Amino acid sequence: AQKVTQAQTEISVVEKEDVTLDCVYETRDTTYYLFWYKQPPSGELVFLIRRNSFDEQNEISGRYSWNFQKSTSSFNFTITASQVVDSAVYFCALSDSGNTPLVFGKGTRLSVIA
Amino acid sequence: AAGVIQSPRHLIKEKRETATLKCYPIPRHDTVYWYQQGPGQDPQFLISFYEKMQSDKGSIPDRFSAQQFSDYHSELNMSSLELGDSALYFCASSPRRTEAFFGQGTRLTVV
Repeated sequence: AQKVTQAQTEISVVEKEDVTLDCVYETRDTTYYLFWYKQPPSGELVFLIRRNSFDEQNEISGRYSWNFQKSTSSFNFTITASQVVDSAVYFCALSDSGNTPLVFGKGTRLSVIA
Repeated sequence: AAGVIQSPRHLIKEKRETATLKCYPIPRHDTVYWYQQGPGQDPQFLISFYEKMQSDKGSIPDRFSAQQFSDYHSELNMSSLELGDSALYFCASSPRRTEAFFGQGTRLTVV
């Protein structure tokens, strides 16, 4: 069975600090996809990134970066120089290569304080 | 760019009533998903459609049903509503079963 664990329930940082959100996954599939979504207080789910299991390259997009390590089944998300607008719940999710209903982690609530 | 459109955005119903939620996927997306997110919870998969055929079923109660129409829009029908059905309901669409793009959700409150 597929499972996503986000051990950090809540994180609070001061603006401009860097913060890393952890994600550990379990799957028996050799081909799978990992995702991060952001859910701001307004409630919508905003797609941030998709990574397939064959691509272990780290990715950077502006202040966001992702570290995918198959050896530890982790897909961690780092926000550099955090801003108040980064305050949201962040979900890590997993799907297999066939049909892709997403399995979500419980989410990490990030609060960035000015 | 076009996004997934859900209507209504907010809905208040009484117990035992029926509700219908609508979803209009992004054009040319072939897969539609429905998720339910309770307060403080992660989204839970309910049901999905691929090319208008039901493709997967998750934790959808028997009181709920869904379908996808010829124009690719989808509807989630919920009957005999219970207080516990109060949640945010998301529709998502996906091109060729890749990343899912979510609508803004319908917040259902059952009183």
